[in-house]
Amino acid sequence: QKEVEQDPGPLSVPEGAIVSLNCTYSNSAFQYFMWYRQYSRKGPELLMYTYSSGNKEDGRFTAQVDKSSKYISLFIRDSQPSDSATYLCAMSASFGGGGADGLTFGKGTHLIIQP
Amino acid sequence: DSGVTQTPKHLITATGQRVTLRCSPRSGDLSVYWYQQSLDQGLQFLIQYYNGEERAKGNILERFSAQQFPDLHSELNLSSLELGDSALYFCASSELGTNQETQYFGPGTRLLVL
Repeated sequence: QKEVEQDPGPLSVPEGAIVSLNCTYSNSAFQYFMWYRQYSRKGPELLMYTYSSGNKEDGRFTAQVDKSSKYISLFIRDSQPSDSATYLCAMSASFGGGGADGLTFGKGTHLIIQP
Repeated sequence: DSGVTQTPKHLITATGQRVTLRCSPRSGDLSVYWYQQSLDQGLQFLIQYYNGEERAKGNILERFSAQQFPDLHSELNLSSLELGDSALYFCASSELGTNQETQYFGPGTRLLVL
């Protein structure tokens, strides 16, 4: 079992729909949760960043983390064709004393917003 | 534009060869990360440097090595290349290299091994 599971899609929805993207994970040490957006042939760019459980909203985007279920979600409201991209979840553990071991990514969900 | 630069954009080489990928972090960032992205494995963490010193190691093969120089740019060296090394290689940077920080990704180097 991979540490982070993410449905690769493609997920195709009409413009204006609410999109729900999800990841599950197995490592209970993960404390920091991120969503990156990656356009074709570009580097990933950070969309949302959440620490531990809870919700975070930024414009049309809402990130949810449920650590008890090891499940994270990204919701996109009023989806636009420009939202068409691959969405990658990522997470990392906290080691208290600082340092980092890089991010563990899901494989990404390819999202298509139909005009 | 994240502020992280990578060269070259594309690289085509043959099996058994050696290549060097270069990364310049964002101004003020001390930490550099290298990632490999392939269709079957997704985006995987290879190695992290902080202010010239190796800080963390991920799934990096022994044929691969990296270093960070005093001016903070970093190079990833890939040797004895195999067909399976064909992938996108990304560099990311952050200010202090901690878990609490955002990592900013460069545009990547696309490597094709023939």
